[in-house]
Amino acid sequence: ETGVTQTPRHLVMGMTNKKSLKCEQHLGHNAMYWYKQSAKKPLELMFVYSLEERVENNSVPSRFSPECPNSSHLFLHLHTLQPEDSALYLCASSRDPVVGSEQYFGPGTRLTVT
Amino acid sequence: GENVEQHPSTLSVQEGDSAVIKCTYSDSASNYFPWYKQELGKRPQLIIDIRSNVGEKKDQRIAVTLNKTAKHFSLHITETQPEDSAVYFCAASNRGQNFVFGPGTRLSVLP
Repeated sequence: ETGVTQTPRHLVMGMTNKKSLKCEQHLGHNAMYWYKQSAKKPLELMFVYSLEERVENNSVPSRFSPECPNSSHLFLHLHTLQPEDSALYLCASSRDPVVGSEQYFGPGTRLTVT
Repeated sequence: GENVEQHPSTLSVQEGDSAVIKCTYSDSASNYFPWYKQELGKRPQLIIDIRSNVGEKKDQRIAVTLNKTAKHFSLHITETQPEDSAVYFCAASNRGQNFVFGPGTRLSVLP
């Protein structure tokens, strides 16, 4: 599947590093999402962008900073992370951000914070 | 905010039997309820969804029912097959933006 791509697929970073996760969707969708998936918690919605504007920010620590330069690209900038931030970070996109529609997920970035 | 509970957390069935997974939600404003299947090491994929103006929806062996009054919805899989083995997540959404997922149900279909 190539509709939603994410890079890198795996990332190991120290607590003092700064890194960015990238997501790209080739589906012409209008909404993009960042999720965190860890073993101990269900899929947690972090950020939602609709038509390039952030519409949801679910109490995410400021060490996570999203950026959506256009409707096809979404970034998650990471700095001074904690070991508990280690998880699978999934990007998703959907066609209709208003009434609810299928979300297409990317393959995820497996992040390990040492 | 919205809270979604899901039961059971694990479910084992014999091939050919039916499987039922139940979810409850708390926010009466939620109006879109998708179900996702996630196989081991793969991304979640939508298998069926339902909107609040519909009580039931069916797609081949998969069906979803919604009871708005009781705020619960269920996934029904009939004639289960080994390839149905996966983790299933329900979710509730208001305005198609703030999705809240349940904790997941690990379904094992035994041959």
